[in-house]
Amino acid sequence: DQQVKQNSPSLSVQEGRISILNCDYTNSMFDYFLWYKKYPAEGPTFLISISSIKDKNEDGRFTVFLNKSAKHLSLHIVPSQPGDSAVYFCAASYDQGGSEKLVFGKGTKLTVNP
Amino acid sequence: EAGVTQFPSHSVIEKGQTVTLRCDPISGHDNLYWYRRVMGKEIKFLLHFVKESKQDESGMPNNRFLAERTGGTYSTLKVQPAELEDSGVYFCASSRLWGAYNEQFFGPGTRLTVL
Repeated sequence: DQQVKQNSPSLSVQEGRISILNCDYTNSMFDYFLWYKKYPAEGPTFLISISSIKDKNEDGRFTVFLNKSAKHLSLHIVPSQPGDSAVYFCAASYDQGGSEKLVFGKGTKLTVNP
Repeated sequence: EAGVTQFPSHSVIEKGQTVTLRCDPISGHDNLYWYRRVMGKEIKFLLHFVKESKQDESGMPNNRFLAERTGGTYSTLKVQPAELEDSGVYFCASSRLWGAYNEQFFGPGTRLTVL
């Protein structure tokens, strides 16, 4: 009963090209979505987020798109750089009586080749 | 500003032993969360403190797990007795605001191996 799904365990792109990471969710109560980036032996690092009242949020090379009707979000990285190589986790939450616990996907390992 | 710290970074114990993990959140962060990632699976929520109170412990697997946050500062997560399926990486996260959506800052995690 995974509520947040990242169906691609890995993605490989060339430096300078666009990376698109996808995420699907099933729980219509989710109203806040986040992307975290994780390097080996480190904790997840917050990257970018989007509220359900928006359909796009941009921060430098990173843009997150939200399609509520399809329960789908994606993270675009343009241009991709070798330092972007990491595992990317999609996470979702909603206010459950004051607790905004995060529900994570399994992650997508991105490799950016020089 | 120091980030979230966790101790130890690694722990290897025998089945049936006790282990205590510690998390120091970012100073001033009232929210403290524990998560766990079992190998190859998603990061799963365990529990949430607001200051010293347990706001949500719906993710705690069973009563072998005990979390505390005395004084509303650092938190400990004790596993007693440890079982093989408890192996994984335990992450702690903290955030400043309560009742509002905001990013959670994660620590580096404690890798627990139960043999």
